[in-house]
Amino acid sequence: KAGVTQTPRYLIKTRGQQVTLSCSPISGHRSVSWYQQTPGQGLQFLFEYFSETQRNKGNFPGRFSGRQFSNSRSEMNVSTLELGDSALYLCASSLLLLGEQYFGPGTRLTVT
Amino acid sequence: GIQVEQSPPDLILQEGANSTLRCNFSDSVNNLQWFHQNPWGQLINLFYIPSGTKQNGRLSATTVATERYSLLYISSSQTTDSGVYFCAPDNYGQNFVFGPGTRLSVLP
Repeated sequence: KAGVTQTPRYLIKTRGQQVTLSCSPISGHRSVSWYQQTPGQGLQFLFEYFSETQRNKGNFPGRFSGRQFSNSRSEMNVSTLELGDSALYLCASSLLLLGEQYFGPGTRLTVT
Repeated sequence: GIQVEQSPPDLILQEGANSTLRCNFSDSVNNLQWFHQNPWGQLINLFYIPSGTKQNGRLSATTVATERYSLLYISSSQTTDSGVYFCAPDNYGQNFVFGPGTRLSVLP
């Protein structure tokens, strides 16, 4: 079975721009979660989608949004980028809500 | 939300040594996972262990949910075990919360 894939792997953006990241879960998995990892804050939960519905959301501003499609693929969007948004963005898929999570390789975003 | 502590924050071992990593959490949990993040940033599942003990090769984990801690044992460590180890209990059934991690360096 193919693992979780994320695209793009690396991205450089300028302050004020917006960005869309994509995540394809393991086949059959219906839950996709997104995390932000920075040296200062560690790994922080962004949101979780299950069957196209956002089930949980972390403590992030409204500039961070996401969606899930009927094939369980998910995208997250960050608008009006700030320097502090530079991070490794990780997505994880699981069969069930709060099930065993499997992570993709991440997208490393740099905001200049 | 739930608070998660991991100890030690850093650990340096000689190849072949054994180690125990600890994860303390502030409230009862329904689920808990251990992960290894390799130097390239990939998070690898080690254990999904809300309670009890599991073993996988040189690694084993024990979670005592009633006492709010989990332990990860690494025996006969190898250089490929280097990286950061995270525990992640669930936050009152809402989402997983990651601890700050233990950075392990195994020297040849």
